[in-house]
Amino acid sequence: EPEVTQTPSHQVTQMGQEVILRCVPISNHLYFYWYRQILGQKVEFLVSFYNNEISEKSEIFDDQFSVERPDGSNFTLKIRSTKLEDSAMYFCASSGVARTDTQYFGPGTRLTVL
Amino acid sequence: DAKTTQPNSMESNEEEPVHLPCNHSTISGTDYIHWYRQLPSQGPEYVIHGLTSNVNNRMASLAIAEDRKSSTLILHRATLRDAAVYYCILRDVGSSNTGKLIFGQGTTLQVKP
Repeated sequence: EPEVTQTPSHQVTQMGQEVILRCVPISNHLYFYWYRQILGQKVEFLVSFYNNEISEKSEIFDDQFSVERPDGSNFTLKIRSTKLEDSAMYFCASSGVARTDTQYFGPGTRLTVL
Repeated sequence: DAKTTQPNSMESNEEEPVHLPCNHSTISGTDYIHWYRQLPSQGPEYVIHGLTSNVNNRMASLAIAEDRKSSTLILHRATLRDAAVYYCILRDVGSSNTGKLIFGQGTTLQVKP
């Protein structure tokens, strides 16, 4: 069964450093999402992406965040200058031909900012 | 986005049915009722969804009240693997919706052997 994959599974970085989290969505999917989950808290929406552009972003997704689909298969989340409060699990998700189709989530990347 | 209310936690015995309730009194006519779950240390996983009629799939059943102000996710025979946080989410199929999911705190289901 097709699945969403994410790399790395765990990323440790120093405050102020740039990180790139990578996702490979399911191959025929058109809608892509990033969510995050701070330890012990609920899953929060960050951004949705369709047709090579951001369709919606949350208040969390400020100028330090960016997303890209560089090669038609990968979907990346970049944090330019990490802060301690960026420490969280980051989940990538994708869905098929309609924005209301089922979303399939990856296993997540645990980001630890020291 | 319409709000849902779920109990914080529930317990069940293995191999017994589990009924997980969700209230969504402000649901609109274009809201679908979706259920996702999150197993420990994993990403959320789709379980089931419906609009007005009850739905069944290999994982669970979804019973929707006639007025659509509440719904119940039914696991027919809970297994230890079903221990997870279960989220009831309303998804508006209107044109302004970009597809994002809004997660609440969900119900943490414990399954006892």
